[in-house]
Amino acid sequence: QVQLVESGGGLVKPGGSLRLSCAASGFTFSDHYISWIRQAPGKGLEWVSYISSSGGTRDYADSVKGRFTISRDNARSSLYLQMNSLRAEDTAVYYCAREARITMVQGVIVRPFHFDYWGQGTLVTVSS
Amino acid sequence: NFMLTQPHSVSESPGKTVTISCTRSSGSIASNYVQWYQQRPGSSPTTVIYEHNQRPPGVPDRFSGSIASSSNSASLTVSGLKTEDEADYYCQSYDSSNRVVFGGGTKLTVL
Repeated sequence: QVQLVESGGGLVKPGGSLRLSCAASGFTFSDHYISWIRQAPGKGLEWVSYISSSGGTRDYADSVKGRFTISRDNARSSLYLQMNSLRAEDTAVYYCAREARITMVQGVIVRPFHFDYWGQGTLVTVSS
Repeated sequence: NFMLTQPHSVSESPGKTVTISCTRSSGSIASNYVQWYQQRPGSSPTTVIYEHNQRPPGVPDRFSGSIASSSNSASLTVSGLKTEDEADYYCQSYDSSNRVVFGGGTKLTVL
């Protein structure tokens, strides 16, 4: 069965760094785009970043651009999020979420933008 | 970029039907697929509707999705409400820059 397991969360001081990991199993990891999505305590969902199946394309929300870096290791079926210059407002549960499989229509990649599996999340707390 | 606006909360009695709206601020709601996620307390989100009106395997047919161009909104309808449907529901779409957009979420109370 599909599993996504996040790790690496914890308490960090403002300005500090943290690296999150997401270990995937039960599916062909290299076939899927993956995103990091976060949820501040008592708040809604916020998309943070995505990376394409090959790792060649990635993007970030404006709120984290220049501070966070997403990467993946398809040989290890793992996703990462390097978070630098952390701020109090980055405090949240961070989920990795798999996008449903992309399709090709007349040679054009069609992304589903549908997150069909989510991990259980890892809590990041930024506080002095 | 656009925003997706949902009511903060809705409530209804068991056995009844409730509809949660998700209004797109600019651009056509039909331009990009809308998904709906259910998040029970302490759990990760799960999909109840994808691509406007498709149900994943295992999701009861009490859940249905639709879009309306007249109001530029998507809707999630839950019929035959059960106490287990009590959860937060989020709509989600994406913009022309391929950035994911979530609605603010709606708390469904079944009382």
